[in-house]
Amino acid sequence: TQLLEQSPQFLSIQEGENLTVYCNSSSVFSSLQWYRQEPGEGPVLLVTVVTGGEVKKLKRLTFQFGDARKDSSLHITAAQPGDTGLYLCAGEGGSNYKLTFGKGTLLTVNP
Amino acid sequence: DAGVTQSPTHLIKTRGQQVTLRCSPKSGHDTVSWYQQALGQGPQFIFQYYEEEERQRGNFPDRFSGHQFPNYSSELNVNALLLGDSALYLCASSFREGYGYTFGSGTRLTVV
Repeated sequence: TQLLEQSPQFLSIQEGENLTVYCNSSSVFSSLQWYRQEPGEGPVLLVTVVTGGEVKKLKRLTFQFGDARKDSSLHITAAQPGDTGLYLCAGEGGSNYKLTFGKGTLLTVNP
Repeated sequence: DAGVTQSPTHLIKTRGQQVTLRCSPKSGHDTVSWYQQALGQGPQFIFQYYEEEERQRGNFPDRFSGHQFPNYSSELNVNALLLGDSALYLCASSFREGYGYTFGSGTRLTVV
């Protein structure tokens, strides 16, 4: 069974601070995806990483895929209130067509 | 470009009843997956449909069934509803593995 552990589960910070969210597994994934979800809405894809060691940047967000393709991190620089939401990592691959989600990190950025 | 459309947005049902949820995938996508998301949890995979057949199924009982139509739209049916089936049901469409999924806004199902 593939499992993804996300940490921290909750994070409350002040505007302007930096933060990192971690996503770890004992399983290898062919791709790792990060989503952001707001209340009452479906998850919205932020990025997909497919190559071990890959780093992708999306404005103030930096995503990294571990060399062994078992873990990933999301780093946000100078967080803003608009970054508030539930951040989900999800792994795909192997013999599975499904996405395996972590439980998510609920981020609150206070003005 | 319309994304994934789900209907209805909210639904209240009584225990033991049956429910049908509907999903229209994003234009150009041929694969539809269904997920159940309980409050405070990540989405859990129910099943995936491709070429009108169930390609993979998660750890959900047979009370959960689905269908995909030739136009790639899909339905999720749940029979004999239990209180524990109350959740946000998400539909996600995709075209190719590894390129990410587009999710709908979900159907909030409440079983009373």
